[in-house]
Amino acid sequence: GAGVSQSPSNKVTEKGKDVELRCDPISGHTALYWYRQSLGQGLEFLIYFQGNSAPDKSGLPSDRFSAERTGGSVSTLTIQRTQQEDSAVYLCASSPGLGQSSGANVLTFGAGSRLTVL
Amino acid sequence: DQQVKQNSPSLSVQEGRISILNCDYTNSMFDYFLWYKKYPAEGPTFLISISSIKDKNEDGRFTVFLNKSAKHLSLHIVPSQPGDSAVYFCAAKNSGGGADGLTFGKGTHLIIQP
Repeated sequence: GAGVSQSPSNKVTEKGKDVELRCDPISGHTALYWYRQSLGQGLEFLIYFQGNSAPDKSGLPSDRFSAERTGGSVSTLTIQRTQQEDSAVYLCASSPGLGQSSGANVLTFGAGSRLTVL
Repeated sequence: DQQVKQNSPSLSVQEGRISILNCDYTNSMFDYFLWYKKYPAEGPTFLISISSIKDKNEDGRFTVFLNKSAKHLSLHIVPSQPGDSAVYFCAAKNSGGGADGLTFGKGTHLIIQP
């Protein structure tokens, strides 16, 4: 598509429930990132996918968080047994990928999925 | 430990004047720096970038300055316009490191007053 698409745009859930957030990156972009922005905070890196390589999960805050990227395109971020501190805007971004000039450094973001855990 | 710091949570500037947003970093391996702009309920959008081999990059009303010895960069907007009111994020990358994307600061909320 023309941009990075994320769904749902808003999600309200009860504490303890599982949620899934979806990201559809720009067509042809091999790199995909998940960030989150909590209230009053900056963008916190969560996970990074590059092509068929093993993802960099170093930013995931706990084992309740996981992400998949199927077929090198769409990605799903799953949060199990949600807690109130998981409330944030979850942002997905994609880029052309490594070794492709300075454009690889520019991430294009989606509008985000706002998660509220009651 | 924050590797990218934006010490001003907010900045108010009069329309037509210059806006200067500052950013400091601690990781000497960072070699590429970017500024993103974010409106409420939207994702951040790329604004301007600079490689560590340069000390200045200009694009229209936006100029980014890099001082490597001080590990400091700044974004200048001149003249400031009402549509510039947004949150500005500074970001940095070790382009040789690859794996972890961009490291962001906490952002500065720029308010342009008429």
